Amino acid sequence: GAVVSQHPSRVICKSGTSVKIECRSLDFQATTMFWYRQFPKKSLMLMATSNEGSKATYEQGVEKDKFLINHASLTLSTLTVTSAHPEDSSFYICSARARVSYEQYFGPGTRLTVT
Amino acid sequence: AQKITQTQPGMFVQEKEAVTLDCTYDTSDPSYGLFWYKQPSSGEMIFLIYQGSYDQQNATEGRYSLNFQKARKSANLVISASQLGDSAMYFCAMRGLGGYNKLIFGAGTRLAVHP
Repeated sequence: GAVVSQHPSRVICKSGTSVKIECRSLDFQATTMFWYRQFPKKSLMLMATSNEGSKATYEQGVEKDKFLINHASLTLSTLTVTSAHPEDSSFYICSARARVSYEQYFGPGTRLTVT
Repeated sequence: AQKITQTQPGMFVQEKEAVTLDCTYDTSDPSYGLFWYKQPSSGEMIFLIYQGSYDQQNATEGRYSLNFQKARKSANLVISASQLGDSAMYFCAMRGLGGYNKLIFGAGTRLAVHP
């Protein structure tokens, strides 16, 4: 099946710094990418949807200036957590979908810890 | 608006037995897709099975089958011949195939398979 990679898998950063997470579709062109956030023992919450070459569409309650999303190519999307705080510590999962497909492929996730 | 409900926070099953994980949904979209994902402790989201709202037959994939009852708006996952490796979180998800094409998730059910 299709593969989506995420990098890094784990990151620890200090409060106030910014962290960039990369999401790549390895063997297909992802016209749409999604970013989810998951707290421990909770479900996945959609943060934003990005279409290649367009600005991301953020879900209600998600700060677009804090969570910067770039989808510059059909195989790469990045999520930058700016001025991170301990409450931003979470598991971030990206997902990618090709133009004509019902399937949505997930990356392995990135565990962010802000100290 | 779309909503997915999983009412079983945890389920136990004996190895080699079958288990049903419940999922109900609500949507105003006339056309939609229903998904089940498995999330082991590693965090990766593993796609299990898909059911389209207009599919006449219930979807099956190996030991997984989806009991789709459209009138009741339910899409229960049946796992037959449970294995120890089936222990994980299971998420039901839905995506409208019209305008609202975001994949949203239920709260999840933690399945424990006992030897």
